[in-house]
Amino acid sequence: DAEITQSPRHKITETGRQVTLACHQTWNHNNMFWYRQDLGHGLRLIHYSYGVHDTNKGEVSDGYSVSRSNTEDLPLTLESAASSQTSVYFCASSSGTGFAEAFFGQGTRLTVV
Amino acid sequence: AQSVTQLGSHVSVSEGALVLLRCNYSSSVPPYLFWYVQYPNQGLQLLLKYTSAATLVKGINGFEAEFKKSETSFHLTKPSAHMSDAAEYFCAVNPGNTGKLIFGQGTTLQVKP
Repeated sequence: DAEITQSPRHKITETGRQVTLACHQTWNHNNMFWYRQDLGHGLRLIHYSYGVHDTNKGEVSDGYSVSRSNTEDLPLTLESAASSQTSVYFCASSSGTGFAEAFFGQGTRLTVV
Repeated sequence: AQSVTQLGSHVSVSEGALVLLRCNYSSSVPPYLFWYVQYPNQGLQLLLKYTSAATLVKGINGFEAEFKKSETSFHLTKPSAHMSDAAEYFCAVNPGNTGKLIFGQGTTLQVKP
């Protein structure tokens, strides 16, 4: 079965360190997204990609970057981790726009100390 | 900018009672609307989506939602709550056919025995 997986599931890092969260999907979807989930805010879009070598900033992109070198993967990098980036991160993919359903990974809980 | 508002961050019902979770959206064009459910420590799973084919949409696990353009609402209902329905529920809109999702703040549903 096709799936979308995130790793690691949990991570603790120190302020100022660079951190990369992995996202891998086997749906063969062109569209991939990174969201962060914080209490009282729901999920907010960080970055997204519509295909290989395409990346775009979302609502809360400061301090984050992504790259898309193939269809399956969209890693999220925190350039210099800050305590404000402590959150749960979700990766998602979809086949298209409009009514297309987004499929979500299990999430990565990141704590910056 | 488009937005989604979920009224009530916490809703508590007794097992067997009606479930009503409210969602209002702001949109100047017909929206693409979704309800997702998140069980503890899991990713988001699609409950149902509005595709414009019918205003009353049926989803998984006995949930349904009614699209009311005049009220800009897409409330989620279930006639009889089950203990397994306890979870967090998110209403989301896909603005402008972009594939990106704008989420409401989420509503935690508690089901009491």
